[in-house]
Amino acid sequence: AQSVTQPDIHITVSEGASLELRCNYSYGATPYLFWYVQSPGQGLQLLLKYFSGDTLVQGIKGFEAEFKRSQSSFNLRKPSVHWSDAAEYFCAVGARSNYQLIWGAGTKLIIKP
Amino acid sequence: GAVVSQHPSWVICKSGTSVKIECRSLDFQATTMFWYRQFPKQSLMLMATSNEGSKATYEQGVEKDKFLINHASLTLSTLTVTSAHPEDSSFYICSARVFWDLSYEQYFGPGTRLTVT
Repeated sequence: AQSVTQPDIHITVSEGASLELRCNYSYGATPYLFWYVQSPGQGLQLLLKYFSGDTLVQGIKGFEAEFKRSQSSFNLRKPSVHWSDAAEYFCAVGARSNYQLIWGAGTKLIIKP
Repeated sequence: GAVVSQHPSWVICKSGTSVKIECRSLDFQATTMFWYRQFPKQSLMLMATSNEGSKATYEQGVEKDKFLINHASLTLSTLTVTSAHPEDSSFYICSARVFWDLSYEQYFGPGTRLTVT
């Protein structure tokens, strides 16, 4: 069965510290992978996506993610977080057959001053 | 580019009435739009896939007679919650799929908060 797991419901990070949000997936073929961010009062915004090629993907707002096929993972990283990064982060797998997104449960990022 | 709007952003209605939510792609055409429902502190649940000019495809467990979806043009899809009940209170989000060369992504509206009293 296709699924996406974000094992951390909440993560608290000090401002300026590095961040890694975990995402593991189960999919029968090479997946399309996405990270979205949802801030209060705003729509979901795409941070980055992986379809093929270089497994290290650069996104907006200083985020990057690395696709590791052997670990079925697509972890999101940022070297130094800002208070404005506090939000809910969702990992998703894109189905190749019908282009629907399969969503993880989300990780809430809390920034300590 | 690729902006999706939703209207209204929030709505309160009485039990038994119907509510229509609009989803528009402002600067592009969208042959396919998606409707999601999001409960507090939970992930997105896909309700249906809306295709321009054809009937929507509903996910298992979603009542198509209760959640009417119309995608009459390439820039507008509507979700009508008929005979709303308090359990229909939720955050409804639409998205539009866009293809880019060999990839695709979904652009999301800001969501509509529905409260049924």
